[in-house]
Amino acid sequence: AQSVSQHNHHVILSEAASLELGCNYSYGGTVNLFWYVQYPGQHLQLLLKYFSGDPLVKGIKGFEAEFIKSKFSFNLRKPSVQWSDTAEYFCAVPRGAGSYQLTFGKGTKLSVIP
Amino acid sequence: IAGITQAPTSQILAAGRRMTLRCTQDMRHNAMYWYRQDLGLGLRLIHYSNTAGTTGKGEVPDGYSVSRANTDDFPLTLASAVPSQTSVYFCASSDSISGANVLTFGAGSRLTVL
Repeated sequence: AQSVSQHNHHVILSEAASLELGCNYSYGGTVNLFWYVQYPGQHLQLLLKYFSGDPLVKGIKGFEAEFIKSKFSFNLRKPSVQWSDTAEYFCAVPRGAGSYQLTFGKGTKLSVIP
Repeated sequence: IAGITQAPTSQILAAGRRMTLRCTQDMRHNAMYWYRQDLGLGLRLIHYSNTAGTTGKGEVPDGYSVSRANTDDFPLTLASAVPSQTSVYFCASSDSISGANVLTFGAGSRLTVL
């Protein structure tokens, strides 16, 4: 079964700092890759996704992620964070080849200090 | 507003009691899922259903059962609740037939088993 690792449990940044959250997955074939965000007290929402094509994908609120196949990575980035980006971020991949169910990483909590 | 409705929002339950968490979607998605979210463990898949009339086991199915009698409803039942089932439960759905398979989540049900 596919596994996904998120390197940081809790990241604390000041406003305007740059953000990069790491995500690595175990499956080497064609994958669909997702980042979801959970704002405090809310349910998960899709931030961005990669299915094919340009490995640099752009999502909502200025987030982007780069798929690097050779490194099995899909890191999330934002050049300048805002206080409103305070949330928990989850990387997700299909459970296995051809699977529609997603396996989620353990999440990275981002705290942005005004 | 199209989406997923979960009930109850919150429940405190005595150990050994039976509990059913309800989930209804109005997007006509073919696939539905139940995840549990626990601090430090992220989201873990309990059960899923690719289409009405079929169900499958996820990563942590023990102690839970599901049914999918129609497209819209996907209840999760705890036959005899135990304290380790204290968690936040999220129902999700997706249109996996189109290939996009982006999960839409409900607001969650917070369950405490004493």
